[in-house]
Amino acid sequence: DVKVTQSSRYLVKRTGEKVFLECVQDMDHENMFWYRQDPGLGLRLIYFSYDVKMKEKGDIPEGYSVSREKKERFSLILESASTNQTSMYLCASSLAGGRNQPQHFGDGTRLSIL
Amino acid sequence: QKEVEQDPGPLSVPEGAIVSLNCTYSNSAFQYFMWYRQYSRKGPELLMYTYSSGNKEDGRFTAQVDKSSKYISLFIRDSQPSDSATYLCAMGGNDYKLSFGAGTTVTVRA
Repeated sequence: DVKVTQSSRYLVKRTGEKVFLECVQDMDHENMFWYRQDPGLGLRLIYFSYDVKMKEKGDIPEGYSVSREKKERFSLILESASTNQTSMYLCASSLAGGRNQPQHFGDGTRLSIL
Repeated sequence: QKEVEQDPGPLSVPEGAIVSLNCTYSNSAFQYFMWYRQYSRKGPELLMYTYSSGNKEDGRFTAQVDKSSKYISLFIRDSQPSDSATYLCAMGGNDYKLSFGAGTTVTVRA
């Protein structure tokens, strides 16, 4: 089974702090994704990466950056946390290939910005 | 208009009933269709993955895709209290991006 592990289940930070969310997958997947999930809005893509050191903006990248130094690890960075970034953050991974492979998710990090 | 529309519910059914969940979409490029189940305080878990139109069955779960109507469904037969969760539809084209519905919350009453 695919295992996607997010380093923290719950995190509380203060406005203006730099926040790091870490994600590791153990199935040698090429693609990795960061989403945020908010009630009534579903999952919205922040950033994705299709290879080491490669990244592309998703639908809501403002206020976020990412880092992928190793294939198995994908980090989401909140440069200067704001209260509107309080949310559930989900990491996912998938195989590359000619067709859209299903994504496998971690259990999420519930982030509160005070 | 959202690219994927999903009735948020909530849906409450007695144990043993058939649960019917639906999504509609507007992007005719979508070819891959998925259903995820998400328990409270957990990440989404892949339930069904289908390509193009037709039916796919896996145990008590049946996924249907009607590309001509841009409509997908998930049916859960003989529903159990353990099926109580939020169900998300997801779909994508020939890249690695997915568009998700907002999710339908289902409660199966014992």
